[in-house]
Amino acid sequence: QVQLQESGPGLVKPSETLSLTCSVSGGSISNSYWSWLRQPPGRGLEWIAYIHYDGRTNYNPSLKSRGTISIDTSNSQFSLKLTSVTAADTAVYYCASGAGWYANWGQGTLVTVSS
Amino acid sequence: QSALTQPASVSGSPGQSITISCIGTSSDVGAFGYVSWYQQLPGRAPKLMIYDVSNRPSGVSNRFSGSKSGNTASLTISGLQAEDEADYYCNSYTTSNSYVFGTGTKVTVL
Repeated sequence: QVQLQESGPGLVKPSETLSLTCSVSGGSISNSYWSWLRQPPGRGLEWIAYIHYDGRTNYNPSLKSRGTISIDTSNSQFSLKLTSVTAADTAVYYCASGAGWYANWGQGTLVTVSS
Repeated sequence: QSALTQPASVSGSPGQSITISCIGTSSDVGAFGYVSWYQQLPGRAPKLMIYDVSNRPSGVSNRFSGSKSGNTASLTISGLQAEDEADYYCNSYTTSNSYVFGTGTKVTVL
């Protein structure tokens, strides 16, 4: 069973860059797609982006090109950077395996955008 | 891309069957067989219950089933149990090569 764990700052200032990393264990990162999703407090889920182990990526158009997803297969990690954050980016951020349907999820990490 | 439309809440008594609808458009639910469903308990990460409209991952109870007709996907929970009380979300691939979630449905077991 693949396990995922998010890590990164829990507080980011407005206009700065949010950076998160997902560590994958219990399976190979080199045979699948990997995704980031988020859920604002009390609200629904939103897909952010996915990356294939060969580097192919796809992003939610609603991010307006603020997001960058990358993968480090040697360390079994993939990452998300989101630039120019605002309060609207405050959410629990999840990393997950797959693209389109997500079989394994991290526990989620709350990122608050506030000065 | 607008969120798929789900009822805010659905309730049922133990042992009953309930169905949660997920209404999309011909650009998402109606266009592909790529609808998935997730169960989310309070404070927990979502759990995959159904993928590709009607497929159940290993370990998911066969009381959960999925279907699709036109632009509407549905999740049916049969033999409702107290442990099924949770939020449920649908998700679909879209013609914009993107993915959209539903608005979410709170299931209450009476």
